[in-house]
Amino acid sequence: KQEVTQIPAALSVPEGENLVLNCSFTDSAIYNLQWFRQDPGKGLTSLLLIQSSQREQTSGRLNASLDKSSGRSTLYIAASQPGDSATYLCAAYTGRRALTFGSGTRLQVQP
Amino acid sequence: SQTIHQWPATLVQPVGSPLSLECTVEGTSNPNLYWYRQAAGRGLQLLFYSVGIGQISSEVPQNLSASRPQDRQFILSSKKLLLSDSGFYLCAWSGGWGGFGYTFGSGTRLTVV
Repeated sequence: KQEVTQIPAALSVPEGENLVLNCSFTDSAIYNLQWFRQDPGKGLTSLLLIQSSQREQTSGRLNASLDKSSGRSTLYIAASQPGDSATYLCAAYTGRRALTFGSGTRLQVQP
Repeated sequence: SQTIHQWPATLVQPVGSPLSLECTVEGTSNPNLYWYRQAAGRGLQLLFYSVGIGQISSEVPQNLSASRPQDRQFILSSKKLLLSDSGFYLCAWSGGWGGFGYTFGSGTRLTVV
């Protein structure tokens, strides 16, 4: 059974800092890994989707990498802003509608 | 482009009352549809998924049921709510075999009192 772990559980940084969020998964036989953002009381917004054949994906200040062999993905946020404050979730897809979520990293960017 | 709508956004219901949450998807056909629940301080739990009209699979035994009366409509129901049904309910869709990512709705905050 796939297990997804996110470290750290919470993170507080000053504005402008570059930061890395970590996601690890136990079953490397994934089709893709997806990063989401969740604001308090809101739904999930998809940030980046990395297919198993890809090493990384970029969108603006966000860069996500995937290392299947080691069971790890990272989300890099450059030049963080207070508007980046949210909970970030990673989810590993192993097919047959099995999308397994981590418990999330709660990010607070201080102005 | 594809969009997903979920309503209501917030709901407060007494114990023992019925429940109906609705989710619709636009801009795609034959989507896979999902209901997730996010309890406070816990991760997302898959409740139901559907690969087609009238086809519902349940992931966990519970007080809830789901139906898919139309291709792009997914409904979460209960005949009698329990306190433990409180939570944040999210609808999602994916295309085909699910390998192109999931898209989530804005969620419904259900409080059973």
